[in-house]
Amino acid sequence: KNQVEQSPQSLIILEGKNCTLQCNYTVSPFSNLRWYKQDTGRGPVSLTIMTFSENTKSNGRYTATLDADTKQSSLHITASQLSDSASYICVVSASGGYQKVTFGTGTKLQVIP
Amino acid sequence: ETGVTQTPRHLVMGMTNKKSLKCEQHLGHNAMYWYKQSAKKPLELMFVYNFKEQTENNSVPSRFSPECPNSSHLFLHLHTLQPEDSALYLCASSQEGLAGGPGSYEQYFGPGTRLTVT
Repeated sequence: KNQVEQSPQSLIILEGKNCTLQCNYTVSPFSNLRWYKQDTGRGPVSLTIMTFSENTKSNGRYTATLDADTKQSSLHITASQLSDSASYICVVSASGGYQKVTFGTGTKLQVIP
Repeated sequence: ETGVTQTPRHLVMGMTNKKSLKCEQHLGHNAMYWYKQSAKKPLELMFVYNFKEQTENNSVPSRFSPECPNSSHLFLHLHTLQPEDSALYLCASSQEGLAGGPGSYEQYFGPGTRLTVT
């Protein structure tokens, strides 16, 4: 069964600090992996997308890494800001259709002053 | 804004009511989706429409009835709901192509409708 597990479930950090969120998956055959940011009361917004051949991808202060061998991804946030407070969702797609898109439960990040 | 709008943003309904959720996308996409998001659970795909044709129905109870009159509009008709149906209902759209297969393309989400069933 395809699964996506994220850790930690929640995280509180001080403004200006860095943090790393983890995503482990068992989805197969792998197609791509996305990280979404979901602000409270809003829909998810895509941050990055990576395919099998990509190891790292950046979007401003967000850097995602992918290790397809160990089936792990991480999202690193640099110099956190209060506006980074949100849930971060890892989504992994396998080849073969809409049913093959598996969502993680997310990591809830709170950045405090 | 993502180019996907949903109305209403909040809805409280009794178990015997009938209501509808509306979604509109202004992106020219050819696929639209309904998702259910419950607390501490992953997003659950409910329905997919591709070129106005329903291509996925993820074993959703019949008390949820989707309608897609054109590629820009998507409705979710609700009747005789249960309290456990209370959740955030998200609409999304994407531009599906020939490469990569269905589900491979980035989805743009609306803000969601927070539904409470009493």
